[in-house]
Amino acid sequence: DIQMTQSPSSLSASVGDRVTITCRASQAISNYLVWFQQKPGKAPKSLIYAAFNLQSGVPSRFRGSGSGTDFTLTISSVQPEDFATYYCHQYNSYPYTFGQGTKLEIK
Amino acid sequence: QLQVQESGPGLVKPSETLSLTCTVSGVSVSSTSHYWGWIRQPPGQGPEWIAKIQYSGNTYYNPSLKSRVTISVDASTNQFSLKLSSVTAADTAVYYCARQVYDGLLATYYFDYWGQGTLVTVSS
Repeated sequence: DIQMTQSPSSLSASVGDRVTITCRASQAISNYLVWFQQKPGKAPKSLIYAAFNLQSGVPSRFRGSGSGTDFTLTISSVQPEDFATYYCHQYNSYPYTFGQGTKLEIK
Repeated sequence: QLQVQESGPGLVKPSETLSLTCTVSGVSVSSTSHYWGWIRQPPGQGPEWIAKIQYSGNTYYNPSLKSRVTISVDASTNQFSLKLSSVTAADTAVYYCARQVYDGLLATYYFDYWGQGTLVTVSS
């Protein structure tokens, strides 16, 4: 199975800050990566697919980059509604696997 | 507007079978443009993919669960279902149903829409 390792596991930020979350795959997955956002009690929300493509309706402050084994999710200016947990997910090969999550908290 | 909603018992006894249903509205489960899948998330852990199915009959399973999992789809009710047999406390998790949509860029499917999830606890 492909292991997905996210860092950091948590981070604190203020509204307006730029934040970056990284995800590393244990083997190359080309661009087969999704980033999604999860809030308590809510449905997970897909933000980015194919590593850098913005899902319809997602604000442009979210940006995905990377290819192969190393990926990043950047929020250019964190907004109050962005405080949540973020996961990466590879769909390059079966079984699909997920990172352990990065919790973005208010500083 | 697409909606997917999980339903089923919140408490299952050890060794019994967990059965969940996902009701889909806003799109037909018989669409060959989509797959329908199940993912679970144990408390405090990352998500784990369980299985997915397309109406055409194509199914894929996580090998770690394959021997205990049955996934099915029913166009007449616009639902798809999950059965997980011989459950133990390790199967306690929030279970999500989700849609996969075709990504023309990479010529494959990815999860784009999830339900809110339902907590299933395995306990006597």
